[in-house]
Amino acid sequence: QVQLKESGPGLVQPSQTLSLTCTVAGFSLTSYNVHWVRQPPGKGLEWMGVIWNTGGTRYNSALKSRLSISKDTSKSQVFLKMNSLQTEDTATYYCARETTGIPGYNWFAYWGQGTLVTVSS
Amino acid sequence: DIVMTQSPSSLAVSAGETVTINCKSSQSLLYSGNQKNYLAWYQQKPGQSPKLLIYWASTRQSGVPDRFIGSGSGTDFTLTISSVQAEDLAIYYCQQYYDTPYTFGAGTKLELK
Repeated sequence: QVQLKESGPGLVQPSQTLSLTCTVAGFSLTSYNVHWVRQPPGKGLEWMGVIWNTGGTRYNSALKSRLSISKDTSKSQVFLKMNSLQTEDTATYYCARETTGIPGYNWFAYWGQGTLVTVSS
Repeated sequence: DIVMTQSPSSLAVSAGETVTINCKSSQSLLYSGNQKNYLAWYQQKPGQSPKLLIYWASTRQSGVPDRFIGSGSGTDFTLTISSVQAEDLAIYYCQQYYDTPYTFGAGTKLELK
């Protein structure tokens, strides 16, 4: 059974760094790509970036200078780090997996439950 | 970046009605190499994660009721929900996966009339 679960601090101070973990089960990170998507309260969805099954990454250019995604395949974990947080980074952060690992099949069939991160002093 | 524009932003319906949600992309999502449209639709209910409904613009995800129908090609796409049920009240998003950054529409909120 495919599962993804995000974890991390619920509250981050402005200008600090956010560190989130997506722990997956039921599949290998060497076979599937994992994406990060965020959603500010009451607003829409924003794709943040992806770590490919190969280990390569691609980021949303709007966040690229602040964002880093990595993984530990042996622990089935994907990591998101984003620095210089501001109040507008307050959002629910989701990790999501594609249906297959086939290039171009980049829709999100499996989602974590999401974790709400509030940026506030 | 490819901009996805959804309309309407909200829609009030009665149970049993048929509704249509539109999604327009700023550039074609039709890839000539395989004649597929790189567009997906999601449903998000309050307090829940998005749920995949449709991919390749018209292919229903396994388990999705056949009252959800995706159509369109190129830059203009539609999600039709026939005979809306109370459980369909949610926000619907389109998403392009033609190119990064993958982008979503702003959403269409389906409400009860």
